[in-house]
Amino acid sequence: DQQVKQNSPSLSVQEGRISILNCDYTNSMFDYFLWYKKYPAEGPTFLISISSIKDKNEDGRFTVFLNKSAKHLSLHIVPSQPGDSAVYFCAASASSNQFYFGTGTSLTVIP
Amino acid sequence: EAGVVQSPRYKIIEKKQPVAFWCNPISGHNTLYWYLQNLGQGPELLIRYENEEAVDDSQLPKDRFSAERLKGVDSTLKIQPAELGDSAVYLCASSPTGNTEAFFGQGTRLTVV
Repeated sequence: DQQVKQNSPSLSVQEGRISILNCDYTNSMFDYFLWYKKYPAEGPTFLISISSIKDKNEDGRFTVFLNKSAKHLSLHIVPSQPGDSAVYFCAASASSNQFYFGTGTSLTVIP
Repeated sequence: EAGVVQSPRYKIIEKKQPVAFWCNPISGHNTLYWYLQNLGQGPELLIRYENEEAVDDSQLPKDRFSAERLKGVDSTLKIQPAELGDSAVYLCASSPTGNTEAFFGQGTRLTVV
């Protein structure tokens, strides 16, 4: 059973606009969440994280929002750039146990 | 600082043959992971090591898969015998501890024919 879900397989956004990638989870014990970015033929690279004691974490153009009551997190990229085109995975863990990954969302930023 | 190094990058083998993958984690990282990634899916954990101890191997198909991390540094993952359904990308990752972000290698793409 998929504990972390990314229901949008793909997303296209104009350069300069905001990209919003969504992720839902089912396990209320998850307390640490991450976003990874993956280019073709490369391994995932860490992007940003958030712990359950926060509801927002910002790093430059990237902001992650966590809504614990809805079991939902989102990644905002603003402004979007063509180099942001990649597959984005969200992942979650409970108390230092294994990370569970979503199926990914392929983002295309159109110049 | 060097990242996680995996070899080989690509491997094509016939079914029923053995295959091995190697991973060298980032220096000083105690936690090492092997993940399996099928096309269109996210990475799925196969095994997690804390130093040389396998602390979570519940998802490792032990009838054909084995792994070791001697001396708590580099690690090998073996499949014997390989099946057609084992075709996937095998990712190695490491982290300083078990509850921080993991750093991934480039992966080994296995094709079983």
